[in-house]
Amino acid sequence: DTGVSQDPRHKITKRGQNVTFRCDPISEHNRLYWYRQTLGQGPEFLTYFQNEAQLEKSRLLSDRFSAERPKGSFSTLEIQRTEQGDSAMYLCASSFSRGANEKLFFGSGTQLSVL
Amino acid sequence: KQEVTQIPAALSVPEGENLVLNCSFTDSAIYNLQWFRQDPGKGLTSLLLIQSSQREQTSGRLNASLDKSSGRSTLYIAASQPGDSATYLCAVEGGKLIFGQGTELSVKP
Repeated sequence: DTGVSQDPRHKITKRGQNVTFRCDPISEHNRLYWYRQTLGQGPEFLTYFQNEAQLEKSRLLSDRFSAERPKGSFSTLEIQRTEQGDSAMYLCASSFSRGANEKLFFGSGTQLSVL
Repeated sequence: KQEVTQIPAALSVPEGENLVLNCSFTDSAIYNLQWFRQDPGKGLTSLLLIQSSQREQTSGRLNASLDKSSGRSTLYIAASQPGDSATYLCAVEGGKLIFGQGTELSVKP
């Protein structure tokens, strides 16, 4: 499978717990993006990496959220002290940056439910 | 701040109809505009990418147009099929992708 893969597909957790999601991009892609999507809305940008460098973070990414891409390959998104408002689909996407017109390839997402 | 709006929010048509989905954006300083398809509970699949210098792109039964000066794009789907039922999202690229809220399309057999 050469697409973007995300793990787990579903996560149910209790409020206050920490959760971590993983994204494996397409292997030759140097850019990796995280988005969050709630029901009936379009995806909202959270952060993106070029190789291992985190180049931009949205104001949506509070200090409870942290993302890493340690070797410029897979990425993790951690949410500490989860709140019910964190319940959403977390989408990862990757691209090979050749300039301004890059096509993004999305994974199937991780659906988080905070009880 | 870039804002992307899609109209209508939902659309139901009988099989075989041609249809148009609309997308508007507030800041014309974009690199490109992309249309995506999303099936329930799934990720997004890229359909068409129109560069800012282009007016339209076609793929099979899909045709997307871009009028950057007026901040509008349309996605035209010809001879719709039940398998086209999904949510269609447009997104503009100006450093990062900003998405509209989507149009949920239902094609009835």
